[in-house]
Amino acid sequence: KAGVTQTPRYLIKTRGQQVTLSCSPISGHRSVSWYQQTPGQGLQFLFEYFSETQRNKGNFPGRFSGRQFSNSRSEMNVSTLELGDSALYLCAGQRRGGDDEQFFGPGTRLTVL
Amino acid sequence: DQQVKQNSPSLSVQEGRISILNCDYTNSMFDYFLWYKKYPAEGPTFLISISSIKDKNEDGRFTVFLNKSAKHLSLHIVPSQPGDSAVYFCAASGRNYGQNFVFGPGTRLSVLP
Repeated sequence: KAGVTQTPRYLIKTRGQQVTLSCSPISGHRSVSWYQQTPGQGLQFLFEYFSETQRNKGNFPGRFSGRQFSNSRSEMNVSTLELGDSALYLCAGQRRGGDDEQFFGPGTRLTVL
Repeated sequence: DQQVKQNSPSLSVQEGRISILNCDYTNSMFDYFLWYKKYPAEGPTFLISISSIKDKNEDGRFTVFLNKSAKHLSLHIVPSQPGDSAVYFCAASGRNYGQNFVFGPGTRLSVLP
């Protein structure tokens, strides 16, 4: 079966711009979590969506937002980009969430200049 | 304040020898622990997990040990192979508290032929 897909894979933006990233989980997986990975910080949890509702949220500013569609595809939006937002953004799908196994996508590498 | 710590950013081991990756956590509510492996340009993939009711879980060449009193877990890889060279993330969750996974910063393992 198809794995988790993320688009785009690479993105270059400038400060102040906004960006939208997309994630499609494995068919049948209804939970999607988003993570930011930076060197030395590991994976920092952004938020989790389940059945089109945000179920959990990490400690990120309001510039980071997301949504989920009825087909479980999820988008993450970052507004007013800052240099420190440069990172690898990973999404992970789960069947229901909780401690179900997470299946990660390959990530979107965002560079903010 | 990192709740999950991996104090060794990198580790080099000779092929055929044992690799030991360490992880410490601070939140006593964590009761489920996982290890993920990540290759460049790919998302993390699940490796092995352990529940807090156990102190050891084995899967082929991979064994995870949990010391709850010390809030410490370790991943042993025996024998190490060059294909094991990757970044290893330790993750923890409090399944009874609705917490999402908290990841450590990762340890880069290099297995030298």
